[in-house]
Amino acid sequence: DTEVTQTPKHLVMGMTNKKSLKCEQHMGHRAMYWYKQKAKKPPELMFVYSYEKLSINESVPSRFSPECPNSSLLNLHLHALQPEDSALYLCASSQDRGAPDSYNSPLHFGNGTRLTVT
Amino acid sequence: QKEVEQNSGPLSVPEGAIASLNCTYSDRVSQSFFWYRQYSGKSPELIMSIYSNGDKEDGRFTAQLNKASQYVSLLIRDSQPSDSATYLCVLGSWTGNQFYFGTGTSLTVIP
Repeated sequence: DTEVTQTPKHLVMGMTNKKSLKCEQHMGHRAMYWYKQKAKKPPELMFVYSYEKLSINESVPSRFSPECPNSSLLNLHLHALQPEDSALYLCASSQDRGAPDSYNSPLHFGNGTRLTVT
Repeated sequence: QKEVEQNSGPLSVPEGAIASLNCTYSDRVSQSFFWYRQYSGKSPELIMSIYSNGDKEDGRFTAQLNKASQYVSLLIRDSQPSDSATYLCVLGSWTGNQFYFGTGTSLTVIP
């Protein structure tokens, strides 16, 4: 069983819809991530939150809007998506690094949301 | 951009054989290395973490790290059909909460 929970598991939305993906973790991790994964490709980083603050935005289009309401929750708000945005969206968490040069703790992934944009 | 290279495969091995998955990387200062297994349509699952040179064993899995050669590998002993999946080599960046993914190696274990 995964300790990172994502909802919904599947989502079909039209290009004019607004929807949100949700992610929750109870591992005490302070870093949370959104990744996008297309078929037969590795996950592609979208956003990183560290201690509830956005620390990395990988030049993601503004139709994707992340939100971190608290240390356990991460949302991804979707608006005016394109069919090419159809993908598996993965949430992950990890213990935040204490300092540069320290070891990374691994990413723990949720089960993902399969998004289809029609 | 850190480069992480894996042979994309597909790699096919017979059941019961040893599967050897390899990964090379360009960043000399990376200290954290991970192997993930991903079944088709599912999310990646952590199977091994390794931080020091040498071998680390966990059940049928052995990870090997050689920082001087910038090489990390994963051996799967007594391969089972259920091991058929894509294996992702992942590096942790020393600069922050960022991870670099290889393109993955597709493994098929033939019964």
